[in-house]
Amino acid sequence: GQNIDQPTEMTATEGAIVQINCTYQTSGFNGLFWYQQHAGEAPTFLSYNVLDGLEEKGRFSSFLSRSKGYSYLLLKELQMKDSASYLCAVRGDKLIFGTGTRLQVFP
Amino acid sequence: EAQVTQNPRYLITVTGKKLTVTCSQNMNHEYMSWYRQDPGLGLRQIYYSMNVEVTDKGDVPEGYKVSRKEKRNFPLILESPSPNQTSLYFCASSPGGSSYNEQFFGPGTRLTVL
Repeated sequence: GQNIDQPTEMTATEGAIVQINCTYQTSGFNGLFWYQQHAGEAPTFLSYNVLDGLEEKGRFSSFLSRSKGYSYLLLKELQMKDSASYLCAVRGDKLIFGTGTRLQVFP
Repeated sequence: EAQVTQNPRYLITVTGKKLTVTCSQNMNHEYMSWYRQDPGLGLRQIYYSMNVEVTDKGDVPEGYKVSRKEKRNFPLILESPSPNQTSLYFCASSPGGSSYNEQFFGPGTRLTVL
């Protein structure tokens, strides 16, 4: 079967760095996505990893280890507007989403 | 502006009264999908479509129907809604004929079935 685990909630301080982990089990692997979702809004795409390693995009980076079934999203120089849920999604035989990690950034 | 639109955004209805939630995209995307999002359960796929006239069941298709007669539209039909279909619904689209690309989500439809 397919399964995704990510922490339910995290808190951090403005200006800090936070790492959100995602572990997964899938039948086959065809890529991993991270989406950001503000409360009451639609998810928006952040990153895509299909090969092992780190993908950097501005303040956000995403890492993938296929052999470990593990990814993380790294957010640097946190801002208040980064308070949101972060969804890990994995495409194996089908695309499935984790339940999301709610990040609260405090001043 | 490239976007996915859904209507209505909010709907309160009663058990058994047929309803349709429309979804339209103006990006010429081949792939479209419907999800429902419930607390603690994440996004779950209801139905998806790889192209016009091609639809397939996702993880939770019971109680829903879809159609894809035109590339831009992918309506979600609840023939006889029940309270357990109270949820936040998202339509999404992506280029190419699969979910192999990033998906663009509509703004969501919050449905309450009494």
